[in-house]
Amino acid sequence: NAGVTQTPKFRILKIGQSMTLQCTQDMNHNYMYWYRQDPGMGLKLIYYSVGAGITDKGEVPNGYNVSRSTTEDFPLRLELAAPSQTSVYFCASSYSPTLTTGELFFGEGSRLTVL
Amino acid sequence: KNQVEQSPQSLIILEGKNCTLQCNYTVSPFSNLRWYKQDTGRGPVSLTIMTFSENTKSNGRYTATLDADTKQSSLHITASQLSDSASYICVVILYTSGTYKYIFGTGTRLKVLA
Repeated sequence: NAGVTQTPKFRILKIGQSMTLQCTQDMNHNYMYWYRQDPGMGLKLIYYSVGAGITDKGEVPNGYNVSRSTTEDFPLRLELAAPSQTSVYFCASSYSPTLTTGELFFGEGSRLTVL
Repeated sequence: KNQVEQSPQSLIILEGKNCTLQCNYTVSPFSNLRWYKQDTGRGPVSLTIMTFSENTKSNGRYTATLDADTKQSSLHITASQLSDSASYICVVILYTSGTYKYIFGTGTRLKVLA
């Protein structure tokens, strides 16, 4: 049981480039999330999804896009990378609120640097 | 405004010693509170959950407390080990509009020295 798997673990981008962070989970969780973690700050929600085909914006969605075509996968797309997007990105998943007390299961993180 | 504040920001202790981490929150409506441990370069992992009616809960050498009246929680680590070196994140969860919303603290970075 792999849990939440993120790729790549590290990436360096040039300003203006685009890339996709991949996230997949094998726990059959309906809810999936993308967070960014900056030094000295709490995790900030970028986008989340409550099921395949349904996504919604979080606190800091600008510069990002997501899709959710399957229950397992929730990729995060960065268009026109900017230095402000340098961060560590975490994907997380959970059961729906009717089935759980809200535990989030996190991936190992993807460290992105934009130069 | 929903906020979670943790103290201290960082802490250094000797192996075998005890320590206590603090979490104060202004979150409403409160559902539950979780403490997560985040090892360097890894994702956070849940240590314990505190619901509104619970005062104390233990998980091995970790003991969490919750005072819902003062909106404070603490995480006490007993007989610390080198492997306890990590960031500890307090997360308050509120349930609104049929979904959970997570409010993260900034974490306490703990270093345990031999």
